[in-house]
Amino acid sequence: AQKVTQAQTEISVVEKEDVTLDCVYETRDTTYYLFWYKQPPSGELVFLIRRNSFDEQNEISGRYSWNFQKSTSSFNFTITASQVVDSAVYFCALIPEYYGGSQGNLIFGKGTKLSVKP
Amino acid sequence: GAGVSQSPSNKVTEKGKDVELRCDPISGHTALYWYRQSLGQGLEFLIYFQGNSAPDKSGLPSDRFSAERTGGSVSTLTIQRTQQEDSAVYLCASSPGTSGRWVQYFGPGTRLTVT
Repeated sequence: AQKVTQAQTEISVVEKEDVTLDCVYETRDTTYYLFWYKQPPSGELVFLIRRNSFDEQNEISGRYSWNFQKSTSSFNFTITASQVVDSAVYFCALIPEYYGGSQGNLIFGKGTKLSVKP
Repeated sequence: GAGVSQSPSNKVTEKGKDVELRCDPISGHTALYWYRQSLGQGLEFLIYFQGNSAPDKSGLPSDRFSAERTGGSVSTLTIQRTQQEDSAVYLCASSPGTSGRWVQYFGPGTRLTVT
């Protein structure tokens, strides 16, 4: 099965707290890509990051960091010192890539709604 | 450059009517995707185009749904005889190719309400 699970439906934190959004994926393919998208209240999905299955290096971008662990099939997202503007729904997604190519559609998790209160 | 645009932004229609939703991808992007976002189903994939071709239509929810793409650019998603369960936000995305190597960029969506 090709599946993405975001077990946390909603998280509420106070500004400046650190918060981690969990993502667990399932795929039978050895090559795949993982993504995080942000959907603010305005509604438009905004790309945050992409990782391929051969690159397990963690990544940091400002207050955002991502931890990719193939051993646990997880791709978690941490926001350090959260801000009110981080309030949004965050989606983790998967694109499996099988031999011969891929149609490339994103397989999304259900999303985690993050509320950051001042 | 311009991003992905969709029109209309909102559409209210009566049950049984046909609707057309339009997507203008980023210039030069050969791959175009349609997704649907609803409260019960989350974000689900509907159909994709590589150029003007849609190789796999199995993601479309029923035969009332169809899509086409012309000139390797604009795409139209048509829903015939709309039902209340069709109410959702329809999202379009484009990318330079059909692979996870490419990032998909999304439009603002069309909110469809069937009354």
